[in-house]
Amino acid sequence: SAVISQKPSRDICQRGTSLTIQCQVDSQVTMMFWYRQQPGQSLTLIATANQGSEATYESGFVIDKFPISRPNLTFSTLTVSNMSPEDSSIYLCSVIDRGREQFFGPGTRLTVL
Amino acid sequence: GQQLNQSPQSMFIQEGEDVSMNCTSSSIFNTWLWYKQDPGEGPVLLIALYKAGELTSNGRLTAQFGITRKDSFLNISASIPSDVGIYFCAGFDNYGQNFVFGPGTRLSVLP
Repeated sequence: SAVISQKPSRDICQRGTSLTIQCQVDSQVTMMFWYRQQPGQSLTLIATANQGSEATYESGFVIDKFPISRPNLTFSTLTVSNMSPEDSSIYLCSVIDRGREQFFGPGTRLTVL
Repeated sequence: GQQLNQSPQSMFIQEGEDVSMNCTSSSIFNTWLWYKQDPGEGPVLLIALYKAGELTSNGRLTAQFGITRKDSFLNISASIPSDVGIYFCAGFDNYGQNFVFGPGTRLSVLP
């Protein structure tokens, strides 16, 4: 299965600043996904990032707030822009491997003061 | 959009007991996945199911893809303290386009 790493693992940020989260996969994958998990909640898909095209955002998420890059088949970044305390969450990247199995990174725990 | 329901929402069991949890959908799914999430970690895939009626085991874990393709269950036998965590079901809908997560079942194991 794909092995996924994320940086940073956690951060504490000030309101109004931005944070870029990196996701690295040990194999080439077509589809990468970014999820948000608010405290005590399930996972909510933010966007799908495919290499060579713009990310596709789910309802309630916009590119200005969560810009995504996908420069190659093993790497993606998610930026959380102009942060507010409501953005405090765990942000997870994931990939589809072996056709229909989705694997997750360890997550980035973001706290916004 | 499609939603998955999981029951129970949470459960407390004694170490050594068997556990059963299930996941239901109002629409047909063609893949069911079960994940476990430890605090501060990302979800880890436990079992993947691809065919209606399929029964798959992974150590003390057993999961089944319901015949109607609208449900799945996960059983854990002889629970141990490290089984504590949140168990999520997830799956691809019948068109393989939408990947949906359930709300999770929080498991606590008492010594």
